[in-house]
Amino acid sequence: EIVLTQSPATLSLSPGERATLSCRASQSVSSYLTWYQQKPGQAPRLLIYDASNRATGIPARFSGSGSGTDFTLTISSLEPEDFAVYYCQQRSNWPIYTFGQGTKLEIK
Amino acid sequence: EVQLVESGGGLVQPGGSLRLSCAASGFTFSSYWMSWVRQAPGKGLEWVADIKVDGSEIYYADSVKGRFTISRDNAKNSLYLQMNSLRAEDTALYYCATEWDLHLDHWGQGTLVTVSS
Repeated sequence: EIVLTQSPATLSLSPGERATLSCRASQSVSSYLTWYQQKPGQAPRLLIYDASNRATGIPARFSGSGSGTDFTLTISSLEPEDFAVYYCQQRSNWPIYTFGQGTKLEIK
Repeated sequence: EVQLVESGGGLVQPGGSLRLSCAASGFTFSSYWMSWVRQAPGKGLEWVADIKVDGSEIYYADSVKGRFTISRDNAKNSLYLQMNSLRAEDTALYYCATEWDLHLDHWGQGTLVTVSS
């Protein structure tokens, strides 16, 4: 089973700052890495798929990069609505989906 | 607009059963693989099961294999999850979601299942 490890567990930043979230896979997932955003009381929302492709309607300040085992989600300039929990996910080792444990992005 | 509406959650005793439903609208349901994903209170996301467009392929997480059954009715645009032999650790918010290319692109709001005596 491929394990996804996200870091940091919590990230405290201010609006306008740049956020960098990491997801590391225990073995290569090629570019099949997805990022979701979840706000309190809401369902997860698809942000980035295939490591670097923004989903429909996702602002350009969100970007994803990486391949193999190391991936990064970057938010270039934080807006108040960006404070949430972010999860990475893979299904490279078909058929099992696995998620990272999440990174909570909180207001400093 | 894609809409997924889960129902059927509730309080059930350990060892009991529950059937969840997910009503889909706003897209061609019969063209999408579908998944169930759960989230225990205050915890992260856990994929539970998924089903191919015609039901010919089905996969489960090890944690639910042999106890849960996923199914679909394309004529009714509905997805189901039959949950048997429920345990306290099955307590969670259960989401249905559409799948596309190894990711989950639309999610419902979830239905809460609580397993407790």
